[in-house]
Amino acid sequence: QVQLQESGPGLVKPSETLSLTCTVSGGSINSYYWSWIRQPPGKGLEWIGYIYYSGSTNYNPSLKSRVTMSVDTSKNQFSLKLTAVTAADTAVYYCARLTYDSSGYSLDYWGQGTLVTVSS
Amino acid sequence: DIQMTQSPSSLSASVGDRVTITCRASQTISRYLNWYQQKPGKAPQILIYAASSLQSGVPPRFSVSRSGTDFTLTISSLQPEDFATYYCQQSYNTPLTFGGGTKVEIK
Repeated sequence: QVQLQESGPGLVKPSETLSLTCTVSGGSINSYYWSWIRQPPGKGLEWIGYIYYSGSTNYNPSLKSRVTMSVDTSKNQFSLKLTAVTAADTAVYYCARLTYDSSGYSLDYWGQGTLVTVSS
Repeated sequence: DIQMTQSPSSLSASVGDRVTITCRASQTISRYLNWYQQKPGKAPQILIYAASSLQSGVPPRFSVSRSGTDFTLTISSLQPEDFATYYCQQSYNTPLTFGGGTKVEIK
């Protein structure tokens, strides 16, 4: 059973960079796409982007100028960096496995999520 | 971006009730639609993919019908474990987009 676990600071100051890592266990990071999704408190879901195990990326245009994703296959981890954060970036951040096949894109395994608060 | 509009945003129902949730896409997405269930404090879990295929372990009381760009999730007989928030997500192209969610509460 694939499991994902987010890690990183729970508090980030305005204008600084949010950095999170997702560790994948119970399966290899190879041959899959991996995504980040966020959910502001009490609100809906927003897809941030994905990274393929090879390193290719696809970001949501709404965040593209501030987002960087990377992957470390030797550690079975992938990461998210979001620069110049504001209070609007306060959210629960989820990592998830993204399956892409004839059925389209499906987020089939999710981490438990980590709350990141942007505040001074 | 493809906009996904869900309705209603919330509903109250009793155990055993038939419940329907609608999701409308702003353009054609064929059958490329997924549904997720989210319980408080938990991550979403995929329920249905490719419009009508149940994820492994999902009971058959969940079903989806499609008419053009309108998709309807039906829970035929609501069970206590079904009280949650449901999100649709188009899987047709990127950026992936979600509906605003439907919270199913106990009446």
